[in-house]
Amino acid sequence: EPEVTQTPSHQVTQMGQEVILRCVPISNHLYFYWYRQILGQKVEFLVSFYNNEISEKSEIFDDQFSVERPDGSNFTLKIRSTKLEDSAMYFCASRVTVNTEAFFGQGTRLTVV
Amino acid sequence: QKEVEQNSGPLSVPEGAIASLNCTYSDRGSQSFFWYRQYSGKSPELIMSIYSNGDKEDGRFTAQLNKASQYVSLLIRDSQPSDSATYLCAVSSYGNNRLAFGKGNQVVVIP
Repeated sequence: EPEVTQTPSHQVTQMGQEVILRCVPISNHLYFYWYRQILGQKVEFLVSFYNNEISEKSEIFDDQFSVERPDGSNFTLKIRSTKLEDSAMYFCASRVTVNTEAFFGQGTRLTVV
Repeated sequence: QKEVEQNSGPLSVPEGAIASLNCTYSDRGSQSFFWYRQYSGKSPELIMSIYSNGDKEDGRFTAQLNKASQYVSLLIRDSQPSDSATYLCAVSSYGNNRLAFGKGNQVVVIP
């Protein structure tokens, strides 16, 4: 069964360092997302990506964040200068079209120290 | 007003009983509604999707949608210990790419 895959599963980084989180969406899906979940809190939308551009972003998604689809399969989230409060689970998701089911990857646990 | 609200606290149900979860949403233009299950430390896993008013059943799960009341619910019949998890309500609106989540309801099934 097709699935969304994310790497790495866990990343520890020092404050101020750049991190790149990687995702491979399901192959026939057209909409890609990044969400984050701080421990004990709700799943929060960060950004959606369609047709090789950002289609929507939340107020959380400020200038330190960027997304990219560098080739036909990968979808990445870059955090330029990590802060302690960026520590969270980051989930990638994809869906065929808007309003259909979204499927989530297993997540990357980011720990900023 | 929050987009998607799940207000009830942790729900404890005995094994074999019915668990009932509720969700309200604020955007009348919402068109797609989903229930996800999330085990601690894991990613959201899709359980049900519902798009039109009424009931939709899938195995032990039934989703109910009432667009006039902006209300969607999930029933879990014959609850099993493996159903112990947090259940997330998610809503998608036409013209809005994202899926908005509620904070979730924790369900504990007691053997």
